[in-house]
Amino acid sequence: AQTVTQSQPEMSVQEAETVTLSCTYDTSESDYYLFWYKQPPSRQMILVIRQEAYKQQNATENRFSVNFQKAAKSFSLKISDSQLGDAAMYFCAYRPRGGDYKYIFGTGTRLKVLA
Amino acid sequence: DAGVTQSPTHLIKTRGQHVTLRCSPISGHKSVSWYQQVLGQGPQFIFQYYEKEERGRGNFPDRFSARQFPNYSSELNVNALLLGDSALYLCASSLVGRATGNTIYFGEGSWLTVV
Repeated sequence: AQTVTQSQPEMSVQEAETVTLSCTYDTSESDYYLFWYKQPPSRQMILVIRQEAYKQQNATENRFSVNFQKAAKSFSLKISDSQLGDAAMYFCAYRPRGGDYKYIFGTGTRLKVLA
Repeated sequence: DAGVTQSPTHLIKTRGQHVTLRCSPISGHKSVSWYQQVLGQGPQFIFQYYEKEERGRGNFPDRFSARQFPNYSSELNVNALLLGDSALYLCASSLVGRATGNTIYFGEGSWLTVV
């Protein structure tokens, strides 16, 4: 069975500093997608970044970047120059390329940004 | 452009009652998925519909059902409500295709409280 694990229930970072959120997953598939979603107190899940497993290059979106280690099945999110608006729950998610369209989410990491 | 819209935003039901939640996808999106998010957990996949057909179903009892209409909007129905059905119900829509990675975009959710 495919699983996604986020081992950090909560993380804190000083404003303007850098923080890394961890995610590991388990799958026997070779081709899949990985995602990070942000869920602020408003509860709407917002896509932060997406990685395609067949691409070696790590995805980057402005202050957000990932460290994708396929062999280790690791997919961490780095947030640079943290801002107060980054405070939220962050969920790592996995989806195989083929088959059904079920996303599997981790349990989330609550990020606190300290002024 | 309007995002994914869901209604109602909040509702309270009594055990044993029935509930219908509604979702309108982003314009042009033909796939709709439903997720249940219990407080403190990540979203759990319930259903996925594409072109009005069920394409995936999560590990939920038969009390849960859904359908997709010709305009690609969707309804999630839950019968014989239990206290454990209290959760945020998220609808997500996506374009289906390799280029997009079938990335899903979420609505703000419907908060269901069963008393």
